[in-house]
Amino acid sequence: DTAVSQTPKYLVTQMGNDKSIKCEQNLGHDTMYWYKQDSKKFLKIMFSYNNKELIINETVPNRFSPKSPDKAHLNLHINSLELGDSAVYFCASSQDHLALPYEQYFGPGTRLTVT
Amino acid sequence: SQKIEQNSEALNIQEGKTATLTCNYTNYSPAYLQWYRQDPGRGPVFLLLIRENEKEKRKERLKVTFDTTLKQSLFHITASQPADSATYLCALEGYSTLTFGKGTMLLVSP
Repeated sequence: DTAVSQTPKYLVTQMGNDKSIKCEQNLGHDTMYWYKQDSKKFLKIMFSYNNKELIINETVPNRFSPKSPDKAHLNLHINSLELGDSAVYFCASSQDHLALPYEQYFGPGTRLTVT
Repeated sequence: SQKIEQNSEALNIQEGKTATLTCNYTNYSPAYLQWYRQDPGRGPVFLLLIRENEKEKRKERLKVTFDTTLKQSLFHITASQPADSATYLCALEGYSTLTFGKGTMLLVSP
């Protein structure tokens, strides 16, 4: 049973296109996250949602728009893709972010390549 | 600004030896610290958590120490095996999220 799943695993697209990445968790967690891991392997938080509400938005261009239809899903839509958006995007989840400490469970990642 | 440092160079050791990885931080006062393992092409996997009032935590062959005076955590793998080869990330808690170090790659040769 997959705990945190993401689709697609690979995404190759051209500059200027719009694309979405989907994430689902079946752990019953309240909080979900999007991270970006660049070519230098630095894992950086982008967004965090708790029970469908945005709680963290870390200086991410507004071309990136997360959407949480319910607490088990957190999708990431990216408009007008740029070369610098090429990276691996990880979804993660944890129990309520206020119930410290909270280990995070990560999805397998989506490798986005913008050409 | 807050900073987390892990050795950027890979650590090469022989099977059976103890691997020790370092995580240093500045401008933080975390209540706890976590260690994750990341294999190529996969997401990070949680390994251990240690709180600020704990000096040491163990889980099977893994041991973590946390020195809030030195602002440092050490991560040890005893009796290392080739299957332990991976990148190990430390992470510090912040408001509603974790901040990760860049990780250290461990290579265990048979």
